[in-house]
Amino acid sequence: AQSVTQLDSQVPVFEEAPVELRCNYSSSVSVYLFWYVQYPNQGLQLLLKYLSGSTLVKGINGFEAEFNKSQTSFHLRKPSVHISDTAEYFCAVSGDFGNEKLTFGTGTRLTIIP
Amino acid sequence: DAGVTQSPTHLIKTRGQQVTLRCSPKSGHDTVSWYQQALGQGPQFIFQYYEEEERQRGNFPDRFSGHQFPNYSSELNVNALLLGDSALYLCASSLFQDAATQYFGPGTRLLVL
Repeated sequence: AQSVTQLDSQVPVFEEAPVELRCNYSSSVSVYLFWYVQYPNQGLQLLLKYLSGSTLVKGINGFEAEFNKSQTSFHLRKPSVHISDTAEYFCAVSGDFGNEKLTFGTGTRLTIIP
Repeated sequence: DAGVTQSPTHLIKTRGQQVTLRCSPKSGHDTVSWYQQALGQGPQFIFQYYEEEERQRGNFPDRFSGHQFPNYSSELNVNALLLGDSALYLCASSLFQDAATQYFGPGTRLLVL
């Protein structure tokens, strides 16, 4: 079984400041990792994914994440946030072939302060 | 390039009724997954369809059933609705060869009274 823990339910950040949203996962098998963003009253948009290869993954909108197998973490970072980044962010994990259902964390609400 | 589309956008039902939600996958995708997102929670996996067969299923009762058509579109059916079924229902599509990378539609918001 897989699980995801998002350690912060809410993160307030001043505009143009850096941000890190934390995600830890638990799994007994190899995993794939994802970050999604959800704007109010919308579906989820894929920000980035880690399937294999380089542990530093770059995504859309200037976000990046680093896969750390020893610490079972996949934290999301952005060097300078904008008002438009205000949204709910979800970390998700899936297994490999035959077990690709996504297991999500409870989300982190990122609020950008002008 | 059309993304994942879902219909209807909103729906209001009463307890005991049945509901059908529809999803058209992103162009070129052949695998469809359904998720339930309760207010303030992360999405929960319901099931996944490929080649018109249910491939994986989450921890949802048999009241939740689905179907995939030859054109890869899909339906989610929920029978005997309960108040607790009120949620945002999300459809996601993917390629079978990379079924973990899923692209989501805007969702259908279901309210059960």
